[in-house]
Amino acid sequence: AQTVTQSQPEMSVQEAETVTLSCTYDTSESDYYLFWYKQPPSRQMILVIRQEAYKQQNATENRFSVNFQKAAKSFSLKISDSQLGDAAMYFCAYSPFTGTASKLTFGTGTRLQVTL
Amino acid sequence: DGGITQSPKYLFRKEGQNVTLSCEQNLNHDAMYWYRQDPGQGLRLIYYSQIVNDFQKGDIAEGYSVSREKKESFPLTVTSAQKNPTAFYLCASSISGGGRPDTQYFGPGTRLTVL
Repeated sequence: AQTVTQSQPEMSVQEAETVTLSCTYDTSESDYYLFWYKQPPSRQMILVIRQEAYKQQNATENRFSVNFQKAAKSFSLKISDSQLGDAAMYFCAYSPFTGTASKLTFGTGTRLQVTL
Repeated sequence: DGGITQSPKYLFRKEGQNVTLSCEQNLNHDAMYWYRQDPGQGLRLIYYSQIVNDFQKGDIAEGYSVSREKKESFPLTVTSAQKNPTAFYLCASSISGGGRPDTQYFGPGTRLTVL
């Protein structure tokens, strides 16, 4: 079974600084997707960024980028120019390409605090 | 506006009672999902449906049941057989149920508390 590990329960960053959240996963599949979701205090899950495993280029969405290391099974999220609104729980998630529904396996999350 | 709605936002239930959580989407998505979230844990998949009148068990289906009679709706029933039902429940949908994994879009969630 696939597992997703987020080893940092909590992280803190100063406003305008850069922070990196770590995620590792375990799978025997060669084709899969990886996601970072944000859960603010409202508790609604919001997609931040996604990465297809067959793409070597790291995904980028504005201030958010990933460092995808397929051989190491590592998928970290970098947040640049951190803003107060970035404070939230961040979940890493994995989805295999099985031809069926997109079943997500989530990590336990990292709580990000943004300070002035 | 297109989106996913869940109701109610908060739900209280006495032990031994069944309760149904509502999930509706107007995104014209084929696939829908139910997740459970407990403190300190990530989301865990309860049930999912790729198309109308079809659904499959996820990782923690025991004590839950679902139906998918309409494309827009995917209600979840928490039965009295669920031993620890107090949790936050999230519904999600994605464009298709097959092929490459699609991004899942989530509703605002329902907080269920068993008294």
